[in-house]
Amino acid sequence: DTAVSQTPKYLVTQMGNDKSIKCEQNLGHDTMYWYKQDSKKFLKIMFSYNNKELIINETVPNRFSPKSPDKAHLNLHINSLELGDSAVYFCASSPLAGGTDTQYFGPGTRLTVL
Amino acid sequence: GEDVEQSLFLSVREGDSSVINCTYTDSSSTYLYWYKQEPGAGLQLLTYIFSNMDMKQDQRLTVLLNKKDKHLSLRIADTQTGDSAIYFCADLHDVGKLIFGQGTTLQVKP
Repeated sequence: DTAVSQTPKYLVTQMGNDKSIKCEQNLGHDTMYWYKQDSKKFLKIMFSYNNKELIINETVPNRFSPKSPDKAHLNLHINSLELGDSAVYFCASSPLAGGTDTQYFGPGTRLTVL
Repeated sequence: GEDVEQSLFLSVREGDSSVINCTYTDSSSTYLYWYKQEPGAGLQLLTYIFSNMDMKQDQRLTVLLNKKDKHLSLRIADTQTGDSAIYFCADLHDVGKLIFGQGTTLQVKP
């Protein structure tokens, strides 16, 4: 059984479009995250939700809007896609917010903006 | 500040030991992690160490932490071709924010 799953795995779209990436975890964790990995493999946190509440919001353009309908899901909606949004987006989850909890990552969604 | 640095590339022969190094700047770090990323795949948690520990061993993996120098290393004994991947060091800050290094690409030659 997949612990942290993301859909789609690949997403190719035109500049200016709006797209969503979905993430689900079946680990019973309280906290979920979105990370962006750029073309140089650099990973940076974007958002974190704990029990549907936003707890980390890094300096990300407001074209990016996370939505957590319940604690098992954290979706990422991106408006007006730009070339620079091309990256691999990873979802992760951990049992509790902050402190010492290990984060488990999904397989990633490779977004290509043309 | 929040900064984690790693060397970008390491090449070893199969059967040798690999040592991947990492330095970090945050003096309040509690946990430090090592993740492995194979080509086209997600991040796989390898191991972690609590900041009050000096060493942790897990089968072929040994993690050494020098808190005074803010230096972390991952040693892989008897490196195999299947160990070829990118290895990320990560520092856990408050509220669950993981700060990653740039990743070290490990190349294992037969």
